[in-house]
Amino acid sequence: ETGVTQTPRHLVMGMTNKKSLKCEQHLGHNAMYWYKQSAKKPLELMFVYSLEERVENNSVPSRFSPECPNSSHLFLHLHTLQPEDSALYLCASSPWWTGGPGTGELFFGEGSRLTVL
Amino acid sequence: KQEVTQIPAALSVPEGENLVLNCSFTDSAIYNLQWFRQDPGKGLTSLLLIQSSQREQTSGRLNASLDKSSGRSTLYIAASQPGDSATYLCAGNNFGNEKLTFGTGTRLTIIP
Repeated sequence: ETGVTQTPRHLVMGMTNKKSLKCEQHLGHNAMYWYKQSAKKPLELMFVYSLEERVENNSVPSRFSPECPNSSHLFLHLHTLQPEDSALYLCASSPWWTGGPGTGELFFGEGSRLTVL
Repeated sequence: KQEVTQIPAALSVPEGENLVLNCSFTDSAIYNLQWFRQDPGKGLTSLLLIQSSQREQTSGRLNASLDKSSGRSTLYIAASQPGDSATYLCAGNNFGNEKLTFGTGTRLTIIP
C-alpha cells in the first residue's frame, strides 16, 4: 500500500465517548501532521511531529491528544468532544520539517469525517 | 499574519476551455507554494509544488506560476475536462516558517 492512509473514514461519537483516529504513511517521510477542515474555513494546522517529536501544537484544546509512536504512524485521541468539533480531520506527511527551506511536498490522506452528537 | 485569498470562490466553464485560478498572499514573500485539488468528501491531492527559487511548474495540462514580488500565484488548466471538476486550493509558506497557510479554495465545475 502506498501514500497516506487514514482510518476510520467516518466516525460518529457522543460527547462523552473516547475514540481515536489513525494515520499511516508509506512514503518514508519524517514529518506528520493533523489538520482540521471545517466548512467554508481554511485548513487549520493542529499538530506537527518531526521524527516522532511534537514540534507544533497550534493552541488545540486538550480534548484532542496526538500520539506518534514511530515515524510512520500518527494517532489523534478524542475525548469529551463538542458538537463544534465535527469536521473532516486530515492527516498529512512531508519529507522533513526544518527551519527555512520548508518541508518538501505535502501529501494528504483521505480524511476522517467526524460527527459529534 | 499570513492570509490567502482565492478568487473566484466558484467557477463553471464549458468543457474544452482553458482557465486560470488565482491565489494571493497578504505577505508576498512566499518561499514555497503548493496547489492541491480536493474532490467532495476526500482528502487533498498534491498537483504542483513551486520551491525556493523556482517560478513555475508544469504537469500535463496544468501550469502553476508564482510572482514573488506581488505574492500572487496562478494555476492554468488547459483544455478542461469534466474530470477536472473539484475544489482547488493553494497553500504557501514564508522562509523560516514551515507552516503552510491555506486558501479556502475555488470550486471548479466543468460542464460537459
